[in-house]
Amino acid sequence: GQNIDQPTEMTATEGAIVQINCTYQTSGFNGLFWYQQHAGEAPTFLSYNVLDGLEEKGRFSSFLSRSKGYSYLLLKELQMKDSASYLCAVRDQASGTYKYIFGTGTRLKVLA
Amino acid sequence: DTAVSQTPKYLVTQMGNDKSIKCEQNLGHDTMYWYKQDSKKFLKIMFSYNNKELIINETVPNRFSPKSPDKAHLNLHINSLELGDSAVYFCASSQGTRGAPEAFFGQGTRLTVV
Repeated sequence: GQNIDQPTEMTATEGAIVQINCTYQTSGFNGLFWYQQHAGEAPTFLSYNVLDGLEEKGRFSSFLSRSKGYSYLLLKELQMKDSASYLCAVRDQASGTYKYIFGTGTRLKVLA
Repeated sequence: DTAVSQTPKYLVTQMGNDKSIKCEQNLGHDTMYWYKQDSKKFLKIMFSYNNKELIINETVPNRFSPKSPDKAHLNLHINSLELGDSAVYFCASSQGTRGAPEAFFGQGTRLTVV
């Protein structure tokens, strides 16, 4: 089956670093995505990993280990505007086409 | 210039009514999706269309009927609305095997059934 797990909620302080973990099980893995979703808005794309290792994009980095079914999103120099939900998603190709399967999201609160 | 646009943004209706949500993408993508996000913020795939053809139907009640008149449009019609249908419905599109790997989302339609 398909399963994606991530923590429900995290809290961190402005200026700090936070790591959001995601574990997944899927039969047709074809990429790991992180999305950011502010309350009342659409999910917006943050990062993509298809090979093992770290991808860095400014303050945000994402890591993937396919053998462990594990990813994390690292947010550095946290700002108040980073308070949002962070969704881990796997692109699955098991059914012959792509579909994006989402975890339940991690609500991050950044405190002053 | 909005990439994926859906209308309406808000929809309040009574139980038993029939309603439609429209979605259009101007990205030239081949694949479009409907997702449902419930009150716990879980984003669950409902349907996927590739070039107007239904590819994925994730055991959604048959009161929900998607229609794709062309590959840039994917509409969702819901019959006999129930209280449990209240949620935010997101349309999305992706390029598939070519180009950017990520899915792009519309702004969502918040459906409230009373």
